[in-house]
Amino acid sequence: SQQGEEDPQALSIQEGENATMNCSYKTSINNLQWYRQNSGRGLVHLILIRSNEREKHSGRLRVTLDTSKKSSSLLITASRAADTASYFCATVAGANSKLTFGKGITLSVRP
Amino acid sequence: EAGVTQSPTHLIKTRGQQATLRCSPISGHTSVYWYQQALGLGLQFLLWYDEGEERNRGNFPPRFSGRQFPNYSSELNVNALELEDSALYLCASSLVQAVGELFFGEGSRLTVL
Repeated sequence: SQQGEEDPQALSIQEGENATMNCSYKTSINNLQWYRQNSGRGLVHLILIRSNEREKHSGRLRVTLDTSKKSSSLLITASRAADTASYFCATVAGANSKLTFGKGITLSVRP
Repeated sequence: EAGVTQSPTHLIKTRGQQATLRCSPISGHTSVYWYQQALGLGLQFLLWYDEGEERNRGNFPPRFSGRQFPNYSSELNVNALELEDSALYLCASSLVQAVGELFFGEGSRLTVL
């Protein structure tokens, strides 16, 4: 079963624009993570935010977490064509709990 | 440092056969996870091994099984293959048992004809 649900399912933007992707989840979490997948290959970890954190930055990435709304957002600033990929949010509900993924968002960045 | 390696890259089988997929984690990582990514279904959790023990199992039938060896490498076996088992099977490893960042391999694509 899916814990996280990303929104929108697909996003197309122009190079240089910002991309905002949202994730909602159903149960309390220990941490929330964002991953990126290029064209059916392995996933690459982008960022992890713990339940007691509200915002984290990593390069052009900014992640926020609102535990009261059970939601997170991933912002990619100044997007590049190379950012074209699928992005997944994933949650860990507690100790010894598995990492559960959403269905992903397809981001297309037009040059 | 070598990343997570999976073999084979591609595998073609027919219905009813058995498939074996292999995964070597990053050196020093004791936890190995298996996920199935079928078209349009996202990543579905299959199995989690740590220190040779099965820690958690996803909602898959018993014909999906696996094991972790003393060197922490892992094997996923799928018996009595069905057409809907066609998918990308992803293996990941992590440094600690508590689930933080996972490091993924490139996957094994299984096609069942």
